[in-house]
Amino acid sequence: ELKVEQNPLFLSMQEGKNYTIYCNYSTTSDRLYWYRQDPGKSLESLFVLLSNGAVKQEGRLMASLDTKARLSTLHITAAVHDLSATYFCAVDMDDDMRFGAGTRLTVKP
Amino acid sequence: NAGVTQTPKFRVLKTGQSMTLLCAQDMNHEYMYWYRQDPGMGLRLIHYSVGEGTTAKGEVPDGYNVSRLKKQNFLLGLESAAPSQTSVYFCASSDRDNAEAFFGQGTRLTVV
Repeated sequence: ELKVEQNPLFLSMQEGKNYTIYCNYSTTSDRLYWYRQDPGKSLESLFVLLSNGAVKQEGRLMASLDTKARLSTLHITAAVHDLSATYFCAVDMDDDMRFGAGTRLTVKP
Repeated sequence: NAGVTQTPKFRVLKTGQSMTLLCAQDMNHEYMYWYRQDPGMGLRLIHYSVGEGTTAKGEVPDGYNVSRLKKQNFLLGLESAAPSQTSVYFCASSDRDNAEAFFGQGTRLTVV
């Protein structure tokens, strides 16, 4: 059974700092997604990673996928308060999509 | 541009009551999903559908039923609600080729 593990689950960081969120999964897949969720809101798609070695960047966020290691990372560069949210990775297995537990990020001044 | 619309947004049920949650998408997507979100557990897949007339079980299907009679609609039913089904329910749809999933705004269900 596919398991998707994120770490850390909680992350408090200061503005201007860098950090990485990790997403490990247990079975073979070459499709991985990152979503953002603000409190009380729905999920917003950030990145779609469709192959080994895929790297995508949007603003201060950069996501990568290593299918051989079954690992994806979401790197935050020079964090700002607006990035405070919960970040989820999700892995495509056959026809369904399984989520990690989420990383609650708080960026403090 | 509506995207994915869930009805209702909020609902309180008594134990044993039944209800149906409606998800409608206007993007002509083949794939549709129902998830529940509980604190600290991320999103767990209840049921999904890969096309009109088809449904399949996800991680936590017990106590729920679904139907996909029309491509644009995916219904989630609770036949006899239990307090353990108190949760926020999200519907999503995707175009398989593109793979990105779009989510509805969620339904907050409380079973008392």
